[in-house]
Amino acid sequence: AQTVTQSQPEMSVQEAETVTLSCTYDTSESDYYLFWYKQPPSRQMILVIRQEAYKQQNATENRFSVNFQKAAKSFSLKISDSQLGDAAMYFCAYRGGYGGATNKLIFGTGTLLAVQP
Amino acid sequence: GAVVSQHPSWVICKSGTSVKIECRSLDFQATTMFWYRQFPKQSLMLMATSNEGSKATYEQGVEKDKFLINHASLTLSTLTVTSAHPEDSSFYICSAPLAGGLSSYNEQFFGPGTRLTVL
Repeated sequence: AQTVTQSQPEMSVQEAETVTLSCTYDTSESDYYLFWYKQPPSRQMILVIRQEAYKQQNATENRFSVNFQKAAKSFSLKISDSQLGDAAMYFCAYRGGYGGATNKLIFGTGTLLAVQP
Repeated sequence: GAVVSQHPSWVICKSGTSVKIECRSLDFQATTMFWYRQFPKQSLMLMATSNEGSKATYEQGVEKDKFLINHASLTLSTLTVTSAHPEDSSFYICSAPLAGGLSSYNEQFFGPGTRLTVL
């Protein structure tokens, strides 16, 4: 079975600084997707970034980028120039590649990010 | 992007009553929807996969008779919490994947969630 582990329950960063959230996963599948989701106090889940396992290049979305280490099964999220609006719970998630729409997401336990002004 | 709605957003009920939560895909069709449960400061736990026109697939440990799921149309799935008790109080979230054509990638869109409080 696939598992996702986030070892940092809470993190804090100063506004405008950079922070990295860690995530490791375990799988025997070769085709899969990895995601970072943000859940602000409103509790609406927001997709931050995704990475396809077959792509060697790390995904980037504006201030958000990932460090995808496939052999190490590591998938960290870097937030640059942190803003107050980045404060939220962040979940790392895994989804198998086969099966299309029926594939479920497996979530990590989450990291609560605080941004200090 | 695609929108998923949930209704109600917050419901309070008495112990022993049943509560129905609706999940709708507003601008796309979803043959599959997922139901999650989230306790405060915890992760999302998948409860079941809702399949249009067939029975839902429940995760291990989830009581099928307690959490009834009906996916009657391509845009609506409902979760009914039967004979609710205080321990059922939680935040319930649904999601629906949007098929991406030939790609195996189907982005999931999440509803805003429903807060259930059982007195």
